[in-house]
Amino acid sequence: DIQLTQSPSFLSASVGDRVTITCRASQGISSYLAWYQQKPGKAPKLLIYAASTLQSGVPSRFSGSGSGTEFTLTISSLQPEDFATYYCQQLNSYLMYTFGQGTKLEIK
Amino acid sequence: EVQLLESGGGLVQPGGSLRLSCAASGFTFSSYAMSWVRQAPGKGLEWVSAISGSGGSTYYADSVKGRFTISRDNSKNTLYLQMNSLRAEDTAVYYCAKDPTLPRIAAAGTNRFDYWGQGTLVTVSS
Repeated sequence: DIQLTQSPSFLSASVGDRVTITCRASQGISSYLAWYQQKPGKAPKLLIYAASTLQSGVPSRFSGSGSGTEFTLTISSLQPEDFATYYCQQLNSYLMYTFGQGTKLEIK
Repeated sequence: EVQLLESGGGLVQPGGSLRLSCAASGFTFSSYAMSWVRQAPGKGLEWVSAISGSGGSTYYADSVKGRFTISRDNSKNTLYLQMNSLRAEDTAVYYCAKDPTLPRIAAAGTNRFDYWGQGTLVTVSS
């Protein structure tokens, strides 16, 4: 099974900061990766798919990059509403969806 | 507007059964693969099961294989999850989610969940 490992697990930052979250796959997955944002008590929200394609309606301060085994989610200038938990996700060759363990982004 | 509305959660004893439903609207339900994803209290997301648009193909996480059954009724625009032999570790919020990539489940590179329900809480406890 392909494992997705996110780093860091916790991140403290301030409004206006540029932040980057990394997702590493245990083996190459081409560009087969999506990113989600989840706020407490709410369902996850799709931000990016195919590693770098921004979901409709998602602010352009969010961007994704990477291929193979290393991927990044970048928020160019943190806004108050961006403090949440972020997950990466992929569908592996066994047709099982896998999520990373999550990165909690907190206000410094 | 796409809407997914889960129901059927509740308190059940270990070893018991429960059936979750997810009523879909706002899109051609039979054209999309659907999944159940769960989240234990204070934990991360765990994919549980997926089903193709036709219902002909189903997939399960190892943690639920043999105990849970996913199905769909395309005439009613409804997704189901039959959960048997429930364990304490099955306690979670269960979400239904839509994958817009293909009607069948295939690693196409664009696989993602573009719409989610609000979730239904399942608590397994004596």
